[in-house]
Amino acid sequence: AAGVIQSPRHLIKEKRETATLKCYPIPRHDTVYWYQQGPGQDPQFLISFYEKMQSDKGSIPDRFSAQQFSDYHSELNMSSLELGDSALYFCASSLQWDIQYFGAGTRLSVL
Amino acid sequence: AQKVTQAQTEISVVEKEDVTLDCVYETRDTTYYLFWYKQPPSGELVFLIRRNSFDEQNEISGRYSWNFQKSTSSFNFTITASQVVDSAVYFCALISVQGAQKLVFGQGTRLTINP
Repeated sequence: AAGVIQSPRHLIKEKRETATLKCYPIPRHDTVYWYQQGPGQDPQFLISFYEKMQSDKGSIPDRFSAQQFSDYHSELNMSSLELGDSALYFCASSLQWDIQYFGAGTRLSVL
Repeated sequence: AQKVTQAQTEISVVEKEDVTLDCVYETRDTTYYLFWYKQPPSGELVFLIRRNSFDEQNEISGRYSWNFQKSTSSFNFTITASQVVDSAVYFCALISVQGAQKLVFGQGTRLTINP
């Protein structure tokens, strides 16, 4: 069965650069979520979209923005990167509010 | 506000031992879902189980079993006859139906199964 696809898997950036993370949900899933997991920490909710509209927002910095496109894929844009943004970024998808299935994550390293 | 507490930061056992991972949750909502996710060393988050607040029936899936007790706000996870492949970080999580559909995770329990 198709799973959530995230790209890239690894990303290395310098401070103050920008990064774009992509997420392709499981086919027919209409809801996408983004989570950030710092080293040794639990995943923290950033933002979610249902049917291309933002449905909820967590502790997402103003430097970050995201959207869900007409084909339901989502992108997380991160600007003015800081060292503290280094983390594992997960995307999850669900059919409406059903079980969230996670992608393999994008590991972002900010140098 | 919702909160999930996994008091056991790390557990280490020898293969074939049984092990129980504890999870205690807090919520004021009457309708909610509880989850367990597994994060192996490769890093992905793997869904294991979901339980709704109205279903306290225990569940068994192979070597895995879950004990949900509303009276103590606990949702514990037991692995029977543990195997090295069970080594991972396990997260308990909560979603409130009335609130946003975001998962609130516990701090995770790192389980190491030694051969």
